[in-house]
Amino acid sequence: DAGVTQSPTHLIKTRGQQVTLRCSPISGHKSVSWYQQVLGQGPQFIFQYYEKEERGRGNFPDRFSARQFPNYSSELNVNALLLGDSALYLCASSLYSQNANTGELFFGEGSRLTVL
Amino acid sequence: RKEVEQDPGPFNVPEGATVAFNCTYSNSASQSFFWYRQDCRKEPKLLMSVYSSGNEDGRFTAQLNRASQYISLLIRDSKLSDSATYLCVVNGNNFNKFYFGSGTKLNVKP
Repeated sequence: DAGVTQSPTHLIKTRGQQVTLRCSPISGHKSVSWYQQVLGQGPQFIFQYYEKEERGRGNFPDRFSARQFPNYSSELNVNALLLGDSALYLCASSLYSQNANTGELFFGEGSRLTVL
Repeated sequence: RKEVEQDPGPFNVPEGATVAFNCTYSNSASQSFFWYRQDCRKEPKLLMSVYSSGNEDGRFTAQLNRASQYISLLIRDSKLSDSATYLCVVNGNNFNKFYFGSGTKLNVKP
C-alpha cells in the first residue's frame, strides 16, 4: 500500500510569493495534519483536518491556510512568503475517531521549501 | 515555556551501551505520549507509545511520570542503527494537536 505522498519534494520561492503544497493520505485515513520543521527543531503543528473540517490549528499567522478535499487529500497554502518560512513541511495522516486518536501519525517525506 | 522540552544532545555512546533520554512536558492535562524516531533528512516514525504503567519493546523501555511531568526512553545494548534523533511527543488538550520536542540526537559509535 502507498504511504503518505507529498508534492513537490523540493521548491524554491522568493519573498512575497505564494506556495501550495499537496498531500495524499494513506488509503482509509481520514485525518490529515500539517507540520513545519525548521532545521534543528522538532515538527511544529500547523493544522489538522478531518472529514474536510479544520479540527485544530497551531500558532501560525493567517498567511497559512489549508483545506481537505472529498478524497481526503489536502493542500497547504502559504501566502506572502518570508525567509523564515524556509522549512520542511510535513504532512501526516492518521486514523481518527471522534472519541479518541490512536496517536500514530504516518508522515510523508515532506516538501522542502526554500525562500530566497 | 515550550510544551515539550528535551536535551538536544548529542549523546555519543559506544555499541552495546545503555543510554537514557528524558523529556518534560508543561501541560498536566496531556493524555497521550509517544517517542518518535527521525533519521537524518527523513520523516519521523513512531517508535513507541508511552503508557502510565511503563512499557517495553525489545531493547526499548519507555516510562511516564505524571506527577513530575516527564517521559523517559531507555535503550539497551545500543546498535549502530539506533543512531538517529529521538523526538518526544505529547498531545495537547485537543486530541488533534501533537507537540514535538526538539529532539535528542544519538550517535552510536563502533
